[in-house]
Amino acid sequence: AQSVTQLDSHVSVSEGTPVLLRCNYSSSYSPSLFWYVQHPNKGLQLLLKYTSAATLVKGINGFEAEFKKSETSFHLTKPSAHMSDAAEYFCVVTSQWGYSSASKIIFGSGTRLSIRP
Amino acid sequence: SQTIHQWPATLVQPVGSPLSLECTVEGTSNPNLYWYRQAAGRGLQLLFYSVGIGQISSEVPQNLSASRPQDRQFILSSKKLLLSDSGFYLCAWSAFRDTFYVVNTEAFFGQGTRLTVV
Repeated sequence: AQSVTQLDSHVSVSEGTPVLLRCNYSSSYSPSLFWYVQHPNKGLQLLLKYTSAATLVKGINGFEAEFKKSETSFHLTKPSAHMSDAAEYFCVVTSQWGYSSASKIIFGSGTRLSIRP
Repeated sequence: SQTIHQWPATLVQPVGSPLSLECTVEGTSNPNLYWYRQAAGRGLQLLFYSVGIGQISSEVPQNLSASRPQDRQFILSSKKLLLSDSGFYLCAWSAFRDTFYVVNTEAFFGQGTRLTVV
């Protein structure tokens, strides 16, 4: 069975300082992993995805994440936070097994990122 | 390119009234379709998914139902809304793969419907 755990429900950082949003996953099969961002009352936007080609994945807006199989982690980082980064972030795991079966797209509970001026 | 439309954007309904939220996808065929709900202060919960017309799988027993009358149309319904049905509802699609094992099944989301049951 798949699951994903976001270790922090709320992270607050000062503008210009690094961001770390933590995510651990559990999957019976080789997972696909994603980070999505949701600004207030908006839909979800894909930040980045792990495609199994490279363990360090670069996404939009300066975000990146590193897939660590030994730690079953996929933490999201950014070197320098910007006020516009304030949003809800979701770690997602998916896999599909079997013919004619939909992907099980499983979301973490989300991490709210606040940026202090 | 593919696009997904979801409406309405906001909805205020009285308790006991019916609900119908619609989602359509353009630019792709035979997509997997999903309905998620995000309650206040919570993550996204998968409600229903569909691999084809008339094929609906329910993840959580509840007051809601889903239907897929056409390949790229997914409808979320309720006969009688409860206060606990309030939340942010998101429709999503991913590409259907007919191979046995698939990775990288990225999902694409609509803009969501904010439902308030009063």
